[in-house]
Amino acid sequence: KQEVTQIPAALSVPEGENLVLNCSFTDSAIYNLQWFRQDPGKGLTSLLLIQSSQREQTSGRLNASLDKSSGRSTLYIAASQPGDSATYLCAPNLRDYKLSFGAGTTVTVRA
Amino acid sequence: DGGITQSPKYLFRKEGQNVTLSCEQNLNHDAMYWYRQDPGQGLRLIYYSQIVNDFQKGDIAEGYSVSREKKESFPLTVTSAQKNPTAFYLCASSIESEGLAGYTFGSGTRLTVV
Repeated sequence: KQEVTQIPAALSVPEGENLVLNCSFTDSAIYNLQWFRQDPGKGLTSLLLIQSSQREQTSGRLNASLDKSSGRSTLYIAASQPGDSATYLCAPNLRDYKLSFGAGTTVTVRA
Repeated sequence: DGGITQSPKYLFRKEGQNVTLSCEQNLNHDAMYWYRQDPGQGLRLIYYSQIVNDFQKGDIAEGYSVSREKKESFPLTVTSAQKNPTAFYLCASSIESEGLAGYTFGSGTRLTVV
């Protein structure tokens, strides 16, 4: 069973700082990896999907890297804003219909 | 716009009562899923369905039941056998074709036992 660990569990930064969120997983035979954002009491919003053949994927201020062989992915958020405050979840996909999630990193960006 | 619709947003269940959570998608995705989320915990898989008329148990299926009679719909019933049903329930769908997008989630149903 895929085990997913996200570090740190929580992060509080002043506005404008860059954020680094880490995700590690035990089974490296993944098909792709998705990063999600969850606001309190809401569903999950997909941020980035990175295929197993890719090393990184970018969308605006977001950049996700993937080191499949070592079982790691990192989400970078540049120039953080208060609107970035949320919980971020990573989900490595083994394509077995049993997507596993980390417990998430809760980010607070202080104005 | 394509997406997943979950209803109701909030649901209250009395002891011994069965309740059904609705999940509808118009993304033409083959696979659909139900997850449970408890405070401070990650998402846990309840049931999943790869195709119509077929579904499989996830990690915490006891006390839950599902059906998949249509591609667009995957309702979840929380039965009286589920002893601790208070949680946030999330429905998702996915496409498994090469190179296409992964999972899409609904906005969730919060179930509370009263």
